[in-house]
Amino acid sequence: NAGVTQTPKFRVLKTGQSMTLLCAQDMNHEYMYWYRQDPGMGLRLIHYSVGEGTTAKGEVPDGYNVSRLKKQNFLLGLESAAPSQTSVYFCASSFLGKRANEQFFGPGTRLTVL
Amino acid sequence: EDQVTQSPEALRLQEGESSSLNCSYTVSGLRGLFWYRQDPGKGPEFLFTLYSAGEEKEKERLKATLTKKESFLHITAPKPEDSATYLCAVRGSTLGRLYFGRGTQLTVWP
Repeated sequence: NAGVTQTPKFRVLKTGQSMTLLCAQDMNHEYMYWYRQDPGMGLRLIHYSVGEGTTAKGEVPDGYNVSRLKKQNFLLGLESAAPSQTSVYFCASSFLGKRANEQFFGPGTRLTVL
Repeated sequence: EDQVTQSPEALRLQEGESSSLNCSYTVSGLRGLFWYRQDPGKGPEFLFTLYSAGEEKEKERLKATLTKKESFLHITAPKPEDSATYLCAVRGSTLGRLYFGRGTQLTVWP
């Protein structure tokens, strides 16, 4: 099992550019999540999905969109990147119910917006 | 609002010097407290889940405990490979959503 994988690992954007981060999991998890991690701020939830075709907002959703067209994939989009979106982005996945608490994380994508 | 506070922010220990990390929380209807380990440049790795006050979990040199207001991660006779950032998270009423603390960066030197 590859677990949770993220593409790309690194990216540099200019302000106003758009991009999509891809997350894939092969554990048949129902739930998937996108977090951002900033120095001194800890992990903050951007958006999450409780199943194929469904998404919900987390703590810091502004400036991001997501889609979950397939159970194993969760995409995070930035339509018009801003320097404040410079961060490390982590995708995670988990099972339903009580086991939803045990989230498995990907290796992260380091994004810099100039 | 659900909140998680971890202390200290950073901790340096000599190999073999035992200590504890603290995680205090305020959450309506705690449905679990979780500890993760994060190595530099990697995603967090799940360690423990605690559900009720008085519960304890152990894994190698790590032992997690839970009270009604806080959790402790005890590290017994740490080794340099235990160096990492340890994250605490809680879940309240929203299924699947975790609230993370800022972490404690642990360094164990030989």
